[in-house]
Amino acid sequence: GQNIDQPTEMTATEGAIVQINCTYQTSGFNGLFWYQQHAGEAPTFLSYNVLDGLEEKGRFSSFLSRSKGYSYLLLKELQMKDSASYLCATVDSNYQLIWGAGTKLIIKP
Amino acid sequence: ETGVTQTPRHLVMGMTNKKSLKCEQHLGHNAMYWYKQSAKKPLELMFVYSLEERVENNSVPSRFSPECPNSSHLFLHLHTLQPEDSALYLCASSQDRGGPYNEQFFGPGTRLTVL
Repeated sequence: GQNIDQPTEMTATEGAIVQINCTYQTSGFNGLFWYQQHAGEAPTFLSYNVLDGLEEKGRFSSFLSRSKGYSYLLLKELQMKDSASYLCATVDSNYQLIWGAGTKLIIKP
Repeated sequence: ETGVTQTPRHLVMGMTNKKSLKCEQHLGHNAMYWYKQSAKKPLELMFVYSLEERVENNSVPSRFSPECPNSSHLFLHLHTLQPEDSALYLCASSQDRGGPYNEQFFGPGTRLTVL
């Protein structure tokens, strides 16, 4: 079967660093997306990884290890506005997105 | 603003009502999607349209009926819903359906409550 696992909820402090993990088992693999979704709003694109390694984009970085079926999203210099849900999704062999349930990130002052 | 709009933003309906959700994308995309988002669950893909043709129906009950009159508009017609259908319904679009890098752009969703 196809499965995406990510923690349900995480808490971090403003100014700190947090790493949100995502593990996956899917039929075929054509890349992995991270999306951010603020409460009551649309999910918005953060990153896409298809090759192993780290992709850095400002305060956000995303890492992929295809052999381990593992990705993480790293958020640095946390700000209160980073409080949101972070959704991990893989692209399977049919180019369909398989979604995780999302990680709710709570930032405390 | 993602270029995808949805109306209404909130909808409360009884189990015997008929209502429709509307989605419009201003991005010139060829594929459009309906998702159901329930609390603490993964996004559930309901329907996919590519170039106005339905290409996927993920075993959705017939009380949900999609319509795609052109590549910019997508509707979800609702009738005789159940309370468990209460959820956030998200519309999304992408340039094309296939291909490895196929970023989807989401609308803000319709929060549906079935009484």
